[in-house]
Amino acid sequence: AQSVAQPEDQVNVAEGNPLTVKCTYSVSGNPYLFWYVQYPNRGLQFLLKYITGDNLVKGSYGFEAEFNKSQTSFHLKKPSALVSDSALYFCAVRDGSQGNLIFGKGTKLSVKP
Amino acid sequence: DAGVIQSPRHEVTEMGQEVTLRCKPISGHNSLFWYRQTMMRGLELLIYFNNNVPIDDSGMPEDRFSAKMPNASFSTLKIQPSEPRDSAVYFCASTRVDQPQHFGDGTRLSIL
Repeated sequence: AQSVAQPEDQVNVAEGNPLTVKCTYSVSGNPYLFWYVQYPNRGLQFLLKYITGDNLVKGSYGFEAEFNKSQTSFHLKKPSALVSDSALYFCAVRDGSQGNLIFGKGTKLSVKP
Repeated sequence: DAGVIQSPRHEVTEMGQEVTLRCKPISGHNSLFWYRQTMMRGLELLIYFNNNVPIDDSGMPEDRFSAKMPNASFSTLKIQPSEPRDSAVYFCASTRVDQPQHFGDGTRLSIL
């Protein structure tokens, strides 16, 4: 069965510092991986996805993610964090060909000035 | 594009009452998903539809929950009778082939 794991419930970063939010996956076959962000009282918003190709994927708001097949990881990164990046981040893997996603439990990112 | 539209945004009702949540997917999207989010259980997939047909409802917690998609532009999630443990935020999302899912802003449901 497909699954993703987000090992950290919370990540704290100072504004201007680089940030990393971790995700590992377990899939049979080729992984289709996604990152979403959720701001308070809002739905999830798509950030980026990995389907195939370059292992470094660039997405919205300056975020990027690195796909590592040997470590089965898909960590979300940003070179310089903003206070406005504070939110809940979800990693997800697509289950099968129908398009439904399996989400991790989420990681709360807190960026302090 | 208006995005995925959910109504109502908030619902407060008493235990035992029927609750109906509504969703209008993005035009042109042929897959629709209902999720439930709670602090304890995180984000759970309840059911999803492809071309208005339910594909997997294994996430529906029990028979009190039902979902319909009578046409490509409308879906409902019904709880009858409602219980306090149904309190959660319910999200609808839609997509089409090779596109990411787009989420609505959810319905915050409180069962007293």
